[in-house]
Amino acid sequence: NAGVTQTPKFQVLKTGQSMTLQCAQDMNHEYMSWYRQDPGMGLRLIHYSVGAGITDQGEVPNGYNVSRSTTEDFPLRLLSAAPSQTSVYFCASKGQGAIGGELFFGEGSRLTVL
Amino acid sequence: DAKTTQPTSMDCAEGRAANLPCNHSTISGNEYVYWYRQIHSQGPQYIIHGLKNNETNEMASLIITEDRKSSTLILPHATLRDTAVYYCIVKVGNFNKFYFGSGTKLNVKP
Repeated sequence: NAGVTQTPKFQVLKTGQSMTLQCAQDMNHEYMSWYRQDPGMGLRLIHYSVGAGITDQGEVPNGYNVSRSTTEDFPLRLLSAAPSQTSVYFCASKGQGAIGGELFFGEGSRLTVL
Repeated sequence: DAKTTQPTSMDCAEGRAANLPCNHSTISGNEYVYWYRQIHSQGPQYIIHGLKNNETNEMASLIITEDRKSSTLILPHATLRDTAVYYCIVKVGNFNKFYFGSGTKLNVKP
């Protein structure tokens, strides 16, 4: 039981390049989300999804796209990377049953945009 | 648009109780209070959550005031491994948005 798996763990991009951060969970969770964490800061919600085919924006969605074609996967796409997107990205999932319940986080993907 | 307010940092002596406060004055009646912690740069780890009543688990206790506008996370016997950033979170608006503030950096000292 792997939980939430993020790939890659580290990535360096040049300004204007595109890439996709992968997130997969094996807990059959309906809810998945992406956060970014800048140095010395808390986590900020980028996008989230409550099930396959359903996504919505969080606090800082600009510059990022998401899709949810399966329950297991929730990729985050950067179409044209900018230095301001240098950050650590965390994916999290949660069971949708009870109103309470905990978020399970991946280990993070560290992105540097030059 | 902060939904929770926490002190930036706190110190605690090893073996003593750590009491971490959080203000959430805009919390709605059906919103839960969650606590997470983040050690170094790892993914945040769930600690506890509650709605109205005080809660306790193997990691911590959560005390919520009667008006629900504030809460306190209690680590009963802090160890050096409890040094981390602790986040108090309430969901905002609908059920599906969990907003993290800046958290409290807890320093447990020998």
